[in-house]
Amino acid sequence: DQQVKQNSPSLSVQEGRISILNCDYTNSMFDYFLWYKKYPAEGPTFLISISSIKDKNEDGRFTVFLNKSAKHLSLHIVPSQPGDSAVYFCAASLKGGSQGNLIFGKGTKLSVKP
Amino acid sequence: EAQVTQNPRYLITVTGKKLTVTCSQNMNHEYMSWYRQDPGLGLRQIYYSMNVEVTDKGDVPEGYKVSRKEKRNFPLILESPSPNQTSLYFCASSLSRLLRPGNTGELFFGEGSRLTVL
Repeated sequence: DQQVKQNSPSLSVQEGRISILNCDYTNSMFDYFLWYKKYPAEGPTFLISISSIKDKNEDGRFTVFLNKSAKHLSLHIVPSQPGDSAVYFCAASLKGGSQGNLIFGKGTKLSVKP
Repeated sequence: EAQVTQNPRYLITVTGKKLTVTCSQNMNHEYMSWYRQDPGLGLRQIYYSMNVEVTDKGDVPEGYKVSRKEKRNFPLILESPSPNQTSLYFCASSLSRLLRPGNTGELFFGEGSRLTVL
């Protein structure tokens, strides 16, 4: 059973607009969440993270929102740029916070059109 | 330059021929891990290591072995590769095994090793 779900395999957005990538989870014991970005032929790179004690974390154009009651988090990119075109992975960690328990979603491919 | 280095980057082999994918990090990271990426399945963890001589199974460990004799190296061994191990493999490392507010828990990934087993 998939514990971290990214239900949209792909998303297309116009340059300058907002991109919203969604992630749902089923395990209420998850208490730390991360987003990674992956370009073709490269390894994933860390983007932003959020602890369950917060509901929002911002870093430049990237903001992650966490809704614990809905078991949902989202990544907002404003404004979107063509260089943001990549696959985005959501990941979650179990309470007690160990890297060994990091579980990834299947990814969402974002395309930002000029 | 801080990095995670995997070798080989590309490999085509045949069923049953033992192979090793090496992984080395130069950041003195405590935690290392191997993932495989398959279409429609995302990133799945194979094995991880919290520190030297400490390894544990991830979600899909069958058919793989690892060792952590030194802090910087974490090789992935396929003793008898099979076609279902054809995949894109990523090694990753992190400063700390623990995720805490203030510690982003950032994983540093290698560039990937594309393995094809015929």
